Amino acid sequence: VQLVESGGGVVQPGRSLRLSCAASGFSFTTYAMHWVRQAPDKGLEWVAVTSSDGSNRFYADFVKGRFTISRDNSKNTLYLQMNSLRLEDTAVYYCARDFYLPPPIIVNYYFDYWGQGTLVTVSS
Amino acid sequence: DIQMTQSPSSLPASVGDRVTITCRASRFIRNDLGWYQQKPGKAPQRLIYAASSLQSGVPSRFRGSGYGTEFTLTISSLQPEDFATYYCLQHNSYPPTFGQGTKLEIK
Repeated sequence: VQLVESGGGVVQPGRSLRLSCAASGFSFTTYAMHWVRQAPDKGLEWVAVTSSDGSNRFYADFVKGRFTISRDNSKNTLYLQMNSLRLEDTAVYYCARDFYLPPPIIVNYYFDYWGQGTLVTVSS
Repeated sequence: DIQMTQSPSSLPASVGDRVTITCRASRFIRNDLGWYQQKPGKAPQRLIYAASSLQSGVPSRFRGSGYGTEFTLTISSLQPEDFATYYCLQHNSYPPTFGQGTKLEIK
């Protein structure tokens, strides 16, 4: 299993950024996928999840209406579109695979594999 | 949201020590709890799922226990590579929430 994030960088408040997570080594279309973030020297925060087929998406309250999670199963890639960025969005963003449980479970919210992370810095 | 309270926040210890980290949930979460290890500059690594099940490849000196609202992670004999920060995660109730972390430091 390999998850490789990209797209991080320095961005001004109010601007946008799109993160990507390229997945390999497993059947991407089988798994729900998450974004989890970690502000500098802080703890872990769950951000968003998409179900395996992309039809269900859920967000933490602090990003609702600003961030959009999506996936392209033909490219084995997960995305996070981040709009209206704020200073407090500065963090390392990790993509993480959901621990699979068979239907009717859609999302388990336990993360079994993580990427190495990509740093997003929001600064004027 | 369910609050996860981890203690201690910092734990000085020596190689060979037995250490215990505690995580308390603000509401009943069955055994829907996991433990992760994170080293500086690295992604979290899974250790324990379902409160007490060891993930494949994790050394047997790591042990998780608990049910309901109180959980523990015990490392039976600390090795040099175990000095890291540990997080608990509850995934019983949406949204999933982490403890604030316990930094295991060399005494």
